[in-house]
Amino acid sequence: EPEVTQTPSHQVTQMGQEVILRCVPISNHLYFYWYRQILGQKVEFLVSFYNNEISEKSEIFDDQFSVERPDGSNFTLKIRSTKLEDSAMYFCASRLDGTSPGYTFGSGTRLTVV
Amino acid sequence: LAKTTQPISMDSYEGQEVNITCSHNNIATNDYITWYQQFPSQGPRFIIQGYKTKVTNEVASLFIPADRKSSTLSLPRVSLSDTAVYYCLVGYSNSGYALNFGKGTSLLVTP
Repeated sequence: EPEVTQTPSHQVTQMGQEVILRCVPISNHLYFYWYRQILGQKVEFLVSFYNNEISEKSEIFDDQFSVERPDGSNFTLKIRSTKLEDSAMYFCASRLDGTSPGYTFGSGTRLTVV
Repeated sequence: LAKTTQPISMDSYEGQEVNITCSHNNIATNDYITWYQQFPSQGPRFIIQGYKTKVTNEVASLFIPADRKSSTLSLPRVSLSDTAVYYCLVGYSNSGYALNFGKGTSLLVTP
């Protein structure tokens, strides 16, 4: 079964540092997403990406966040200057097209900001 | 976005059928009902989606009454590995819609 692959599985960074979380969506999928889940809390939507541009973003996705699909296979989330409250599991997801019923999520990157 | 309400937790024994009901009183005409499963430290996994009546796949069944104000996820003969959080989501399935996760139902299956 095709998978969404995320790397690294764990990342520890110091407050104020930049981090890049990487994702390889399923190859023929057209829609890409980032979600996060703070420990013990809900899964929260960050951003959706289609046709090489952001199609929707939440209030969480402020100027310190950016996404990129640099080479047609990778999909990255950059956090420019990390804060303690950015510590969370970050999930990448992809979806085949606008009518397919379900997303495929990756297994996540656990980001710890110290 | 339609608000959903589901039980915070449920317990079951192995081999039993588990039914998790979700209410979504203000569901819109275009909205679909989708269920996801999440194990600890893993991403959510799509289980099933429906619009009305009954949908069945190899994992679960989804029952939706005519008024669509609620839905029931049915897991036949659960095993210990079905212990997870189950989320009911309601939204418009077309285009790149964002999923709005609630707190879900934490299902514990014991021997």
